[in-house]
Amino acid sequence: AQSVTQPDIHITVSEGASLELRCNYSYGATPYLFWYVQSPGQGLQLLLKYFSGDTLVQGIKGFEAEFKRSQSSFNLRKPSVHWSDAAEYFCAVGNFNAGNNRKLIWGLGTSLAVNP
Amino acid sequence: KAGVTQTPRYLIKTRGQQVTLSCSPISGHRSVSWYQQTPGQGLQFLFEYFSETQRNKGNFPGRFSGRQFSNSRSEMNVSTLELGDSALYLCASSNGQGFGDEQFFGPGTRLTVL
Repeated sequence: AQSVTQPDIHITVSEGASLELRCNYSYGATPYLFWYVQSPGQGLQLLLKYFSGDTLVQGIKGFEAEFKRSQSSFNLRKPSVHWSDAAEYFCAVGNFNAGNNRKLIWGLGTSLAVNP
Repeated sequence: KAGVTQTPRYLIKTRGQQVTLSCSPISGHRSVSWYQQTPGQGLQFLFEYFSETQRNKGNFPGRFSGRQFSNSRSEMNVSTLELGDSALYLCASSNGQGFGDEQFFGPGTRLTVL
């Protein structure tokens, strides 16, 4: 069965430090991978997505993610974190098959706190 | 362009009651998906509607139902509410064409069942 694991429930980093949020997936076919961010009281916002091609994907707000098929991972990175990046981050895999079965399967999220 | 709107933003109900949540997608979007978000289970897919037809369905009991109108607005209904239905219900809209088209999420409706 398809699944997404985000091993880190909560991460705290200092402002200006680098960040890496881990995501591992289990999926039988070529995955469609997404990272979303959810700020308090806000809806989910797409940071970036990977479908095919270059395995290093650039997103909004200075985020990037690297798809590693051999490790079934799609880790999110940012070289320098800002206080406004404090939020909940979700990794998701798209379950899209030939029968047009379309839905996202989500990880449980990683809560990011940023120290000034 | 206006974003996805959900009404109401907050609801308090008691066990056994029913509730209807509303979602207005971004103009021009024909697909509306519904998700339930809880701290323990995370985000779980409820169903997707496209052009007034349910196209996909998650693993929720029949108490959870939905519909979509000709203007793409969607409603979700939960009957015979249980305590475990307390959650944030998120609606997402997309153009519904092609795999992986971006879903735009509303702020959600916070449902509390007492």
